[in-house]
Amino acid sequence: AQTVTQSQPEMSVQEAETVTLSCTYDTSESDYYLFWYKQPPSRQMILVIRQEAYKQQNATENRFSVNFQKAAKSFSLKISDSQLGDAAMYFCAYRRGNNDMRFGAGTRLTVKP
Amino acid sequence: KAGVTQTPRYLIKTRGQQVTLSCSPISGHRSVSWYQQTPGQGLQFLFEYFSETQRNKGNFPGRFSGRQFSNSRSEMNVSTLELGDSALYLCASSLISRKSETQYFGPGTRLLVL
Repeated sequence: AQTVTQSQPEMSVQEAETVTLSCTYDTSESDYYLFWYKQPPSRQMILVIRQEAYKQQNATENRFSVNFQKAAKSFSLKISDSQLGDAAMYFCAYRRGNNDMRFGAGTRLTVKP
Repeated sequence: KAGVTQTPRYLIKTRGQQVTLSCSPISGHRSVSWYQQTPGQGLQFLFEYFSETQRNKGNFPGRFSGRQFSNSRSEMNVSTLELGDSALYLCASSLISRKSETQYFGPGTRLLVL
């Protein structure tokens, strides 16, 4: 079974600083996709960034970037220049083939002014 | 384009009742997935529909069922409600049912079972 583990239930960061959220996953597949979703207090889940497993290059989206280590099955999210609006629950997710998306337990990020 | 919409946003039911939740995907999206979110279990996959056919099903009892209509709108039904069914039910749509497709989530329906 594919599982996704987020070992940090809570993280905090000072505004304008950088924070890294961890995610590991378990799979025997070689072709899959990884996602980071953000769920602000308003509850609407929003895609932050996604990574295709067959691509070596780490995905980036403005202040958000990932460190994808395929051999280590690690997919961490780095948020640079943190802003108050980045405060949310962050979920790491995995999907292969036509299977359903599997989510980690989430990391609650607090941004301190 | 309008986003994924879910109705109703809030529901209060009592044990033993049944409930139907509705999800309208983004225009043009043909795949709809349902998730249950609880503080204890996190996000758990319920089922996915594509072109009116159930593609995948999570590990939930038969009390949980769904369907998809020809316009891609989807409903999920929970019969004989239990206290443990209290949760946020999220619907997500994507263009097609493929691992590469980004899922776009609705705001959710919060169900409270008393």
